[in-house]
Amino acid sequence: AQSVTQPDARVTVSEGASLQLRCKYSYSATPYLFWYVQYPRQGLQLLLKYYSGDPVVQGVNGFEAEFSKSNSSFHLRKASVHWSDSAVYFCAVSSNYAQGLTFGLGTRVSVFP
Amino acid sequence: GGIITQTPKFLIGQEGQKLTLKCQQNFNHDTMYWYRQDSGKGLRLIYYSITENDLQKGDLSEGYDASREKKSSFSLTVTSAQKNEMAVFLCASSITPGQNTEVFFGKGTRLTVV
Repeated sequence: AQSVTQPDARVTVSEGASLQLRCKYSYSATPYLFWYVQYPRQGLQLLLKYYSGDPVVQGVNGFEAEFSKSNSSFHLRKASVHWSDSAVYFCAVSSNYAQGLTFGLGTRVSVFP
Repeated sequence: GGIITQTPKFLIGQEGQKLTLKCQQNFNHDTMYWYRQDSGKGLRLIYYSITENDLQKGDLSEGYDASREKKSSFSLTVTSAQKNEMAVFLCASSITPGQNTEVFFGKGTRLTVV
């Protein structure tokens, strides 16, 4: 069975600093990988996705993620965070899209001025 | 673009009560999902449906029923609400199958059982 681990439940960063959120997945083949963001009292919004090709994928709002097959990882990065990036970030994996996504527990990011 | 509308936004129920959550999407997507979100536990799949009148159980289906009578709507029923239960239920949809598919989410229904 596939699984996703986000080892950091909470991350606190200063505005303007860089951010990296870690994600490790468990799946026998190459999966579909996603990062979603959830702002307070909102549904989830897609930040970026990886299916194949270039292991570095660009997303919205300056986010990017890097896929590593050898490390079974899909870490999310942003060079300079803004206070509006405060949210919960979910990494997700799918082997068969019709069966939905398997989510990690999420990382709550707090950006302070 | 489209939208997923979940009703009600807030739902307060009593222990043992049967409660129904509704979801409508105007993306014309084939597949719809219900997820439960608990604090500290991420999102867990309750039911999904790949087409009208289809139902597939997820990891957390016990205690729930679902109904997909139309392509655009997907309902979830809590068969017997548990006391002190608090969770957010998220409805989602996607076109399947496809490499460029994306799962879209509604804003959720917050359930509190007293």
